[in-house]
Amino acid sequence: KQEVTQIPAALSVPEGENLVLNCSFTDSAIYNLQWFRQDPGKGLTSLLLIQSSQREQTSGRLNASLDKSSGRSTLYIAASQPGDSATYLCAVRRVNTGFQKLVFGTGTRLLVSP
Amino acid sequence: DAGITQSPRHKVTETGTPVTLRCHQTENHRYMYWYRQDPGHGLRLIHYSYGVKDTDKGEVSDGYSVSRSKTEDFLLTLESATSSQTSVYFCAIGPGTGSTDTQYFGPGTRLTVL
Repeated sequence: KQEVTQIPAALSVPEGENLVLNCSFTDSAIYNLQWFRQDPGKGLTSLLLIQSSQREQTSGRLNASLDKSSGRSTLYIAASQPGDSATYLCAVRRVNTGFQKLVFGTGTRLLVSP
Repeated sequence: DAGITQSPRHKVTETGTPVTLRCHQTENHRYMYWYRQDPGHGLRLIHYSYGVKDTDKGEVSDGYSVSRSKTEDFLLTLESATSSQTSVYFCAIGPGTGSTDTQYFGPGTRLTVL
């Protein structure tokens, strides 16, 4: 059974700092991995999706990497801003499923202080 | 933002009463999903639908039923609510099983069972 773990559970940094969020998964047979952002009281928004054949994806100040063999992904946020404060979740999609079955981690709650 | 709404947004009910949550989409996506989010567990799939009247169970389906009579509506029913079903419920939609497809999430329904 695929299990997804995110460490740390919470992180507090001052504005401007670069930071890394971690995601690990137990079964390396994944189809893709996504990073989502969740604001308080709201749903999830997809930030980056990495295919199993890719090593990284970038969007603006965000960079996500994937190392399938070690079962790890990282989300790098450059020059953090207070608006980045949110919970970040990673989710893996398993191979050979007929629909998008996603297994989610429990998330990292990020607070960026001005 | 994807056109997806959930109703009600908040509900308090008593143990043993039936409860129905509604998810409505305007994107004409084929796939619809119901998740629950609990502290320490991340998001877990309850049921999903791959078309009108076509539904299947997820990993935590006990105590829940679903129905989809129209493409745009996906209903989640708790036949007899229990305190363990106190949670935040999210609906998600997706266009299909393409490798780059993501899921789009609704704003969530906070359900409290007393």
